[in-house]
Amino acid sequence: DQQVKQNSPSLSVQEGRISILNCDYTNSMFDYFLWYKKYPAEGPTFLISISSIKDKNEDGRFTVFLNKSAKHLSLHIVPSQPGDSAVYFCAAFVLQGAQKLVFGQGTRLTINP
Amino acid sequence: NAGVTQTPKFRILKIGQSMTLQCTQDMNHNYMYWYRQDPGMGLKLIYYSVGAGITDKGEVPNGYNVSRSTTEDFPLRLELAAPSQTSVYFCAGKGVPNTEAFFGQGTRLTVV
Repeated sequence: DQQVKQNSPSLSVQEGRISILNCDYTNSMFDYFLWYKKYPAEGPTFLISISSIKDKNEDGRFTVFLNKSAKHLSLHIVPSQPGDSAVYFCAAFVLQGAQKLVFGQGTRLTINP
Repeated sequence: NAGVTQTPKFRILKIGQSMTLQCTQDMNHNYMYWYRQDPGMGLKLIYYSVGAGITDKGEVPNGYNVSRSTTEDFPLRLELAAPSQTSVYFCAGKGVPNTEAFFGQGTRLTVV
């Protein structure tokens, strides 16, 4: 039972353009959604999060949008830079209890010069 | 602040051997987690802990054990290594009320 899904294994975007990464979830109990970035041979690093009571959160070049009725969130990166090339994971958790993060499969983003 | 530290970074085990993956944190996280990541897959939760002395199984606990005798340390034990345990293992810590979890650099384990 895949509660968090990232259906695009890879995405290629030109430098300077917008990158849009998508994520779907099935568990309506999730309270928080997060995006993590991962470089090879490193641990995931936190990028941005959004509470289920909001529909948008912005931090510099990164914006996360949440559509609760569609159980869908997306990460927008504008403008995309070569250093953004990495694997991006969507994750979610329920505030009550152990707050266990449930991860999607990841999307490999490649920014082309 | 070192954050979340995992050792070793790499390890090759023979089938049937045992080992302990170490994880320590200096951020006073209440919650700690062990995940494994297989190629092309997301992170799967193995075990977690909500505080010293309290541990519970995650999604894929078979073949593993954990302990949490202190807030800082959360070791993961493999008793009888199997090829299916070849993976990259990540330890993470999370404080309250922080929303994000902080990850260690990972341990790449190969069982041959």
